[in-house]
Amino acid sequence: AQTVTQSQPEMSVQEAETVTLSCTYDTSESNYYLFWYKQPPSRQMILVIRQEAYKQQNATENRFSVNFQKAAKSFSLKISDSQLGDTAMYFCAFMLTSGTYKYIFGTGTRLKVLA
Amino acid sequence: ETGVTQTPRHLVMGMTNKKSLKCEQHLGHNAMYWYKQSAKKPLELMFVYNFKEQTENNSVPSRFSPECPNSSHLFLHLHTLQPEDSALYLCASSPRLAGGQETQYFGPGTRLLVL
Repeated sequence: AQTVTQSQPEMSVQEAETVTLSCTYDTSESNYYLFWYKQPPSRQMILVIRQEAYKQQNATENRFSVNFQKAAKSFSLKISDSQLGDTAMYFCAFMLTSGTYKYIFGTGTRLKVLA
Repeated sequence: ETGVTQTPRHLVMGMTNKKSLKCEQHLGHNAMYWYKQSAKKPLELMFVYNFKEQTENNSVPSRFSPECPNSSHLFLHLHTLQPEDSALYLCASSPRLAGGQETQYFGPGTRLLVL
Protein backbone atom coordinates (compact mmCIF):
# COMPACT_ATOMS: atom_id res chain seq x y z
CA ALA A 1 0.00 0.00 0.00
CA GLN A 2 1.13 3.53 -0.72
CA THR A 3 1.66 6.06 2.06
CA VAL A 4 2.50 9.76 2.17
CA THR A 5 4.19 11.36 5.17
CA GLN A 6 4.47 15.04 5.98
CA SER A 7 6.56 15.29 9.11
CA GLN A 8 6.11 19.00 9.75
CA PRO A 9 2.63 19.74 11.17
CA GLU A 10 3.32 23.47 11.38
CA MET A 11 5.87 25.88 10.02
CA SER A 12 6.33 29.61 9.85
CA VAL A 13 8.43 31.85 7.65
CA GLN A 14 9.08 35.54 7.43
CA GLU A 15 7.66 37.38 4.46
CA ALA A 16 10.09 37.41 1.49
CA GLU A 17 12.07 34.47 2.90
CA THR A 18 12.30 30.94 1.50
CA VAL A 19 10.76 27.89 3.13
CA THR A 20 10.85 24.19 2.29
CA LEU A 21 8.08 21.76 3.14
CA SER A 22 8.99 18.09 3.25
CA CYS A 23 7.12 15.09 1.96
CA THR A 24 8.12 11.47 1.74
CA TYR A 25 6.17 8.61 0.26
CA ASP A 26 6.36 4.88 0.04
CA THR A 27 5.54 2.79 -2.99
CA SER A 28 6.90 -0.17 -4.88
CA GLU A 29 5.56 1.18 -8.17
CA SER A 30 7.63 3.16 -10.64
CA ASN A 31 4.97 5.15 -12.48
CA TYR A 32 3.07 7.74 -10.53
CA TYR A 33 2.32 11.41 -10.09
CA LEU A 34 3.05 13.64 -7.14
CA PHE A 35 1.18 16.81 -6.25
CA TRP A 36 1.24 19.68 -3.83
CA TYR A 37 -2.13 21.22 -3.01
CA LYS A 38 -2.75 24.39 -1.03
CA GLN A 39 -5.79 25.02 1.17
CA PRO A 40 -5.98 28.64 2.38
CA PRO A 41 -8.06 29.35 5.48
CA SER A 42 -11.76 28.99 4.65
CA ARG A 43 -11.00 28.73 0.95
CA GLN A 44 -10.91 25.99 -1.62
CA MET A 45 -8.02 23.62 -2.10
CA ILE A 46 -6.08 24.33 -5.26
CA LEU A 47 -3.22 22.66 -7.08
CA VAL A 48 0.18 24.25 -6.55
CA ILE A 49 2.41 21.99 -8.58
CA ARG A 50 2.60 18.47 -9.98
CA GLN A 51 5.44 16.16 -10.93
CA GLU A 52 5.44 13.08 -13.14
CA ALA A 53 7.70 10.39 -11.70
CA TYR A 54 9.22 9.58 -15.10
CA LYS A 55 10.52 13.14 -15.45
CA GLN A 56 13.90 13.80 -13.91
CA GLN A 57 13.58 17.55 -14.15
CA ASN A 58 12.05 19.18 -11.11
CA ALA A 59 8.77 21.00 -11.73
CA THR A 60 8.55 24.74 -11.14
CA GLU A 61 5.66 27.18 -11.07
CA ASN A 62 6.74 30.77 -10.52
CA ARG A 63 7.85 30.98 -6.86
CA PHE A 64 7.09 27.31 -6.22
CA SER A 65 9.49 24.52 -7.04
CA VAL A 66 9.99 20.94 -5.99
CA ASN A 67 12.99 18.81 -5.17
CA PHE A 68 12.03 15.36 -6.42
CA GLN A 69 14.36 12.59 -5.31
CA LYS A 70 12.90 9.39 -6.72
CA ALA A 71 15.38 7.01 -5.17
CA ALA A 72 14.88 8.56 -1.76
CA LYS A 73 11.11 8.82 -2.32
CA SER A 74 11.19 12.45 -1.34
CA PHE A 75 9.18 15.30 -2.80
CA SER A 76 9.75 18.62 -1.04
CA LEU A 77 8.18 21.96 -1.93
CA LYS A 78 10.20 25.15 -1.89
CA ILE A 79 8.44 28.48 -1.70
CA SER A 80 10.63 31.44 -2.57
CA ASP A 81 9.92 35.07 -1.70
CA SER A 82 7.11 34.01 0.64
CA GLN A 83 4.02 36.17 0.62
CA LEU A 84 1.25 36.63 3.17
CA GLY A 85 -1.13 34.95 0.73
CA ASP A 86 0.92 31.77 0.95
CA THR A 87 -0.46 31.19 4.45
CA ALA A 88 -2.36 27.91 4.13
CA MET A 89 -2.39 24.18 4.72
CA TYR A 90 -0.22 22.39 2.21
CA PHE A 91 -0.96 18.80 1.28
CA CYS A 92 1.34 16.43 -0.53
CA ALA A 93 -0.45 13.79 -2.61
CA PHE A 94 0.49 10.70 -4.56
CA MET A 95 -1.32 8.93 -7.35
CA LEU A 96 -0.50 5.80 -9.33
CA THR A 97 -0.80 6.15 -13.09
CA SER A 98 -2.61 2.84 -13.36
CA GLY A 99 -4.81 0.68 -11.23
CA THR A 100 -7.06 2.35 -8.72
CA TYR A 101 -6.44 5.95 -9.84
CA LYS A 102 -6.91 7.24 -6.33
CA TYR A 103 -5.02 9.97 -4.57
CA ILE A 104 -3.21 9.32 -1.30
CA PHE A 105 -2.83 12.50 0.73
CA GLY A 106 -0.50 13.38 3.59
CA THR A 107 -1.71 14.94 6.83
CA GLY A 108 -0.71 18.42 5.73
CA THR A 109 1.65 21.16 6.88
CA ARG A 110 0.19 24.38 8.20
CA LEU A 111 2.34 27.24 6.93
CA LYS A 112 2.09 30.71 8.35
CA VAL A 113 3.84 33.61 6.65
CA LEU A 114 4.73 36.35 9.11
CA ALA A 115 4.77 40.04 8.24
CA GLU B 1 -13.46 30.05 -7.32
CA THR B 2 -12.60 26.89 -9.20
CA GLY B 3 -15.93 26.02 -10.79
CA VAL B 4 -16.90 23.38 -8.27
CA THR B 5 -19.73 24.37 -5.95
CA GLN B 6 -21.07 22.59 -2.91
CA THR B 7 -24.27 23.09 -0.95
CA PRO B 8 -24.95 23.50 1.84
CA ARG B 9 -21.73 25.02 3.17
CA HIS B 10 -22.65 24.16 6.76
CA LEU B 11 -24.96 21.47 8.09
CA VAL B 12 -25.97 20.42 11.57
CA MET B 13 -27.95 17.23 11.87
CA GLY B 14 -29.09 14.78 14.49
CA MET B 15 -28.20 11.14 14.35
CA THR B 16 -31.67 10.18 13.15
CA ASN B 17 -31.91 12.77 10.38
CA LYS B 18 -31.60 12.23 6.66
CA LYS B 19 -29.83 14.89 4.64
CA SER B 20 -28.05 15.24 1.32
CA LEU B 21 -24.94 17.08 0.21
CA LYS B 22 -24.80 18.41 -3.32
CA CYS B 23 -21.83 19.04 -5.57
CA GLU B 24 -21.89 20.62 -9.00
CA GLN B 25 -19.01 21.21 -11.37
CA HIS B 26 -19.11 23.62 -14.29
CA LEU B 27 -15.81 22.52 -15.82
CA GLY B 28 -16.92 19.79 -18.20
CA HIS B 29 -15.06 17.15 -16.21
CA ASN B 30 -15.86 13.46 -16.34
CA ALA B 31 -14.60 12.28 -12.96
CA MET B 32 -15.94 13.32 -9.56
CA TYR B 33 -14.89 12.48 -6.03
CA TRP B 34 -16.05 12.68 -2.43
CA TYR B 35 -13.49 13.16 0.35
CA LYS B 36 -13.75 13.39 4.11
CA GLN B 37 -11.39 15.84 5.83
CA SER B 38 -10.96 15.48 9.58
CA ALA B 39 -8.56 17.43 11.77
CA LYS B 40 -5.02 16.02 11.91
CA LYS B 41 -5.85 13.19 9.51
CA PRO B 42 -5.11 12.77 5.82
CA LEU B 43 -7.90 13.42 3.39
CA GLU B 44 -9.87 10.24 3.07
CA LEU B 45 -11.15 9.34 -0.36
CA MET B 46 -14.69 8.03 -0.08
CA PHE B 47 -16.07 7.57 -3.59
CA VAL B 48 -14.98 8.03 -7.18
CA TYR B 49 -17.24 8.35 -10.19
CA ASN B 50 -16.10 8.23 -13.79
CA PHE B 51 -18.64 9.05 -16.50
CA LYS B 52 -21.41 8.61 -13.89
CA GLU B 53 -20.22 5.13 -12.96
CA GLN B 54 -18.84 4.44 -9.50
CA THR B 55 -15.29 3.16 -9.77
CA GLU B 56 -14.18 3.35 -6.16
CA ASN B 57 -15.84 2.79 -2.82
CA ASN B 58 -13.16 3.09 -0.19
CA SER B 59 -14.85 0.89 2.44
CA VAL B 60 -17.28 3.63 3.35
CA PRO B 61 -20.11 2.73 5.78
CA SER B 62 -23.50 2.29 4.19
CA ARG B 63 -24.89 5.28 6.09
CA PHE B 64 -23.17 7.29 3.32
CA SER B 65 -24.84 6.77 -0.04
CA PRO B 66 -23.52 8.51 -3.17
CA GLU B 67 -25.46 9.33 -6.29
CA CYS B 68 -24.19 10.64 -9.61
CA PRO B 69 -27.07 11.35 -12.01
CA ASN B 70 -24.77 12.94 -14.60
CA SER B 71 -21.14 13.99 -14.99
CA SER B 72 -21.85 17.46 -13.57
CA HIS B 73 -23.66 16.53 -10.37
CA LEU B 74 -22.73 14.43 -7.39
CA PHE B 75 -24.73 13.85 -4.23
CA LEU B 76 -23.92 12.31 -0.89
CA HIS B 77 -26.99 11.07 0.96
CA LEU B 78 -26.60 10.85 4.72
CA HIS B 79 -28.69 8.87 7.19
CA THR B 80 -28.29 7.70 10.79
CA LEU B 81 -24.85 9.29 11.06
CA GLN B 82 -22.61 9.15 14.11
CA PRO B 83 -20.88 12.05 15.89
CA GLU B 84 -17.52 10.81 14.55
CA ASP B 85 -18.82 11.53 11.05
CA SER B 86 -18.54 15.24 11.80
CA ALA B 87 -15.98 16.62 9.35
CA LEU B 88 -15.48 18.73 6.25
CA TYR B 89 -16.76 16.89 3.19
CA LEU B 90 -15.01 17.89 0.02
CA CYS B 91 -16.11 17.29 -3.52
CA ALA B 92 -13.61 17.35 -6.37
CA SER B 93 -13.60 16.80 -10.11
CA SER B 94 -10.98 16.09 -12.75
CA PRO B 95 -11.09 16.01 -16.54
CA ARG B 96 -10.43 12.30 -16.53
CA LEU B 97 -9.20 9.58 -14.22
CA ALA B 98 -5.97 9.09 -16.12
CA GLY B 99 -3.97 10.07 -19.17
CA GLY B 100 -2.31 13.06 -17.53
CA GLN B 101 -5.63 14.72 -16.70
CA GLU B 102 -5.89 13.73 -13.08
CA THR B 103 -5.45 17.15 -11.52
CA GLN B 104 -8.34 17.62 -9.16
CA TYR B 105 -10.38 20.76 -8.68
CA PHE B 106 -11.97 21.04 -5.28
CA GLY B 107 -15.15 22.61 -4.01
CA PRO B 108 -15.28 24.68 -0.82
CA GLY B 109 -16.63 21.80 1.22
CA THR B 110 -19.60 21.20 3.50
CA ARG B 111 -18.84 21.51 7.19
CA LEU B 112 -20.96 18.79 8.82
CA LEU B 113 -21.71 18.54 12.53
CA VAL B 114 -23.57 15.49 13.79
CA LEU B 115 -25.12 15.88 17.22
